[in-house]
Amino acid sequence: DAMVIQNPRYQVTQFGKPVTLSCSQTLNHNVMYWYQQKSSQAPKLLFHYYDKDFNNEADTPDNFQSRRPNTSFCFLDIRSPGLGDAAMYLCATSRVAGDYEQYFGPGTRLTVT
Amino acid sequence: RKEVEQDPGPFNVPEGATVAFNCTYSNSASQSFFWYRQDCRKEPKLLMSVYSSGNEDGRFTAQLNRASQYISLLIRDSKLSDSATYLCAVSPKTSYDKVIFGPGTSLSVIP
Repeated sequence: DAMVIQNPRYQVTQFGKPVTLSCSQTLNHNVMYWYQQKSSQAPKLLFHYYDKDFNNEADTPDNFQSRRPNTSFCFLDIRSPGLGDAAMYLCATSRVAGDYEQYFGPGTRLTVT
Repeated sequence: RKEVEQDPGPFNVPEGATVAFNCTYSNSASQSFFWYRQDCRKEPKLLMSVYSSGNEDGRFTAQLNRASQYISLLIRDSKLSDSATYLCAVSPKTSYDKVIFGPGTSLSVIP
């Protein structure tokens, strides 16, 4: 039973061409997170939503935007991907922030050509 | 100093060995602590939460030392299937706050 679903699993985009990654959840969790993870590095939090309340990390580039139209869905928009944005993008959910287990989706591996 | 740091690894151990990982955190106000396991090219999955009194789950034991600001994970009787990257995660404050992940320690269990 998939609980956090990410589409697509693999995405290839051209330098500068906008791309949208999607995440959906069946857990009805309040919090949804987007992480960027590069090889052999920690998942880096880009932003998170507590319900509709958007929380952006201070060092997240403006190139990255997010939308959460409802509880179940969350989108990551990369307006002008650069070569340095090639990474695994992980969506996660938790019932509330901080104290509770995060459930991760399988990730979308983004390649920028 | 990074907020969460881990042993650099990789750790290569024979089957049956005991291996321990340490993780240090910089924010003394941190309240919640976790160990996640991440298999190659997969998503992280919770291995165990870390409680103040320490906790054990089968072959895995987690401990917290608030005074020294570190958490540890001990794996006894290592199995081949334990090969993975182990990420520690720390929540700076209770509620409405994020979880900071460490860079992970890679473990390879060798036959």
